Amino acid sequence: NAGVTQTPKFQVLKTGQSMTLQCAQDMNHEYMSWYRQDPGMGLRLIHYSVGAGITDQGEVPNGYNVSRSTTEDFPLRLLSAAPSQTSVYFCASSYGTANEKLFFGSGTQLSVL
Amino acid sequence: KQEVTQIPAALSVPEGENLVLNCSFTDSAIYNLQWFRQDPGKGLTSLLLIQSSQREQTSGRLNASLDKSSGRSTLYIAASQPGDSATYLCAVRSIQGAQKLVFGQGTRLTINP
Repeated sequence: NAGVTQTPKFQVLKTGQSMTLQCAQDMNHEYMSWYRQDPGMGLRLIHYSVGAGITDQGEVPNGYNVSRSTTEDFPLRLLSAAPSQTSVYFCASSYGTANEKLFFGSGTQLSVL
Repeated sequence: KQEVTQIPAALSVPEGENLVLNCSFTDSAIYNLQWFRQDPGKGLTSLLLIQSSQREQTSGRLNASLDKSSGRSTLYIAASQPGDSATYLCAVRSIQGAQKLVFGQGTRLTINP
């Protein structure tokens, strides 16, 4: 029962570096999303996808790119890391959006120096 | 814009007590409300989902209620145990912007043996 798998668990970057956070789910969920969690700010939606080939912006999309080439995978790309992107990142998925429980991965703790 | 508030930010009670966590939201036009649990360094686990047409949902010692007209939900935990110590978050899916869950900042609960 893998559920939602995120890699890596921890990452340290230098300002200006790029990287990709990986997210995969094995539940055949159509909906996938990325959140960041910051102290005092709560969880904020970065990007989401309602199916393969379809993505859209959330609340805080600047500095991040996503793509959804398969139902299973939803990678998050940091184009040029900035200290403001230091955060804990969570991937989440569900069958649909209307009345479905959301399943979360265990998170990636990212530090940008 | 939907806003979700959880008060108090932290709560400490002795083992065995029944307790209530509160969640309020500003826009009553919602599809559903979810309660999540988050353990330190972990992802979120969905505990209960209440659809807008429902008044409450129960799972074991947990009972969540929803009063959509007043913009309030409560999570009742019966006979609390040290293992219940965690942060509890509520999240609302509004009819406008249904692809996005809006989270409260959570209540950090500590159950003292």
